[in-house]
Amino acid sequence: HMTQSPSSLSASVGDRVTITCRASQSISTSLNWYQQKPGTAPKVLIYGASTLQSGVPSRFSGSGSGTDFTLTINSLQPEDFATYLCQQSYSVPPTFGQGTQVEIK
Amino acid sequence: EVQLLESGGGLVQPGGSLRLSCAASGFTFSSYAMSWVRQAPGKGLEWVSSVSASGDYKDYTDSVRGRFMISRDTSKNTLYLQMNSLRADDTALYYCAKAFSGDYVSDAFDIWGQGTMVTVSP
Repeated sequence: HMTQSPSSLSASVGDRVTITCRASQSISTSLNWYQQKPGTAPKVLIYGASTLQSGVPSRFSGSGSGTDFTLTINSLQPEDFATYLCQQSYSVPPTFGQGTQVEIK
Repeated sequence: EVQLLESGGGLVQPGGSLRLSCAASGFTFSSYAMSWVRQAPGKGLEWVSSVSASGDYKDYTDSVRGRFMISRDTSKNTLYLQMNSLRADDTALYYCAKAFSGDYVSDAFDIWGQGTMVTVSP
């Protein structure tokens, strides 16, 4: 079971944003982060807890291992307002967090 | 271009059946595990089912086990989801998704289709 916090947040362009994801048991570094915008499919941002997917801006970063993980967005840009989800790929079934909606302040 | 294109969704009555298809292109389909992930209106993502690259290993979320069947046809580069005994709580946008690393059924999903909507209603 994956628990994300907060469920939503308001931020301004240029802010630094941090989203956390907690696993109910250790998942090593098998944690992935996605961005989803309304009406579109999720897009993988980070895999293996901290590896940036090709083409993803470097303002996105991930950290953590075991049960506690963090997604950080440095200098939030207008195109970053979206929902962010974590997903564990340590075991079947692969499970997702409930999502964190990042809104414009 | 790597692409997944779903089809087959629609409106169906409770107890009915649908078969979803997902046409893959731009990558070696036979080398990757594939999955179906659904999203009910206004809700989060829920993994539904995965199949290994060879098709030999299949798994399902508990709520669909015994009602849904995943399969793949390598000759057609197509993934399928046969959905039987549909219920109202199966209403969702169904995405097919490609495993990131290869033949791992629990993996990051690096390529997603646009989704096909399934609505179960009288």
